Amino acid sequence: QKEVEQNSGPLSVPEGAIASLNCTYSDRGSQSFFWYRQYSGKSPELIMFIYSNGDKEDGRFTAQLNKASQYVSLLIRDSQPSDSATYLCAGGANDYKLSFGAGTTVTVRA
Amino acid sequence: KAGVTQTPRYLIKTRGQQVTLSCSPISGHRSVSWYQQTPGQGLQFLFEYFSETQRNKGNFPGRFSGRQFSNSRSEMNVSTLELGDSALYLCASSLDGQPQHFGDGTRLSIL
Repeated sequence: QKEVEQNSGPLSVPEGAIASLNCTYSDRGSQSFFWYRQYSGKSPELIMFIYSNGDKEDGRFTAQLNKASQYVSLLIRDSQPSDSATYLCAGGANDYKLSFGAGTTVTVRA
Repeated sequence: KAGVTQTPRYLIKTRGQQVTLSCSPISGHRSVSWYQQTPGQGLQFLFEYFSETQRNKGNFPGRFSGRQFSNSRSEMNVSTLELGDSALYLCASSLDGQPQHFGDGTRLSIL
């Protein structure tokens, strides 16, 4: 079993809609969580990180963490065609490494 | 502020050769991590260095090694290259482990 699992994609949403991405993790020692966006042929770009239970908002992005349920999510509001990419969820414990999910590919239809 | 710089961007090698990849972290960052990304396995952790010390290592064979210099620049070396080593090798830097910022990567192709 992978340490970090992401909901299988691909995910297609119309422009202006909310894209919802989910991630579960198995290591209860994980304390910090990250969302990266990766465009085709490019490297991952950090877009959000969350360490505490609850919600964290940054512009059109909201990350949610529920440690009891071992669940992390990312909401993208008012989705734009430029949001079309693969989104990677990653978890980190106190061991200086990140465990990545397989990624969810999002396509925003104009 | 300059980002993480990886060189070279592309490499073509043949089986049995060895290769050295370089990574310069964001100024002030002392932690450097290396990852391998392939279509089948996704992003997998190789190792992490902080102040010239390896603090963690992933499940890769001993052919994969790394080091970090006093200026925080890091190199990774892969010896006796195999076809399966073809991948995008990513370096990420951080102040002390998290959050990590990635460089553009080195795409390694083995013929």
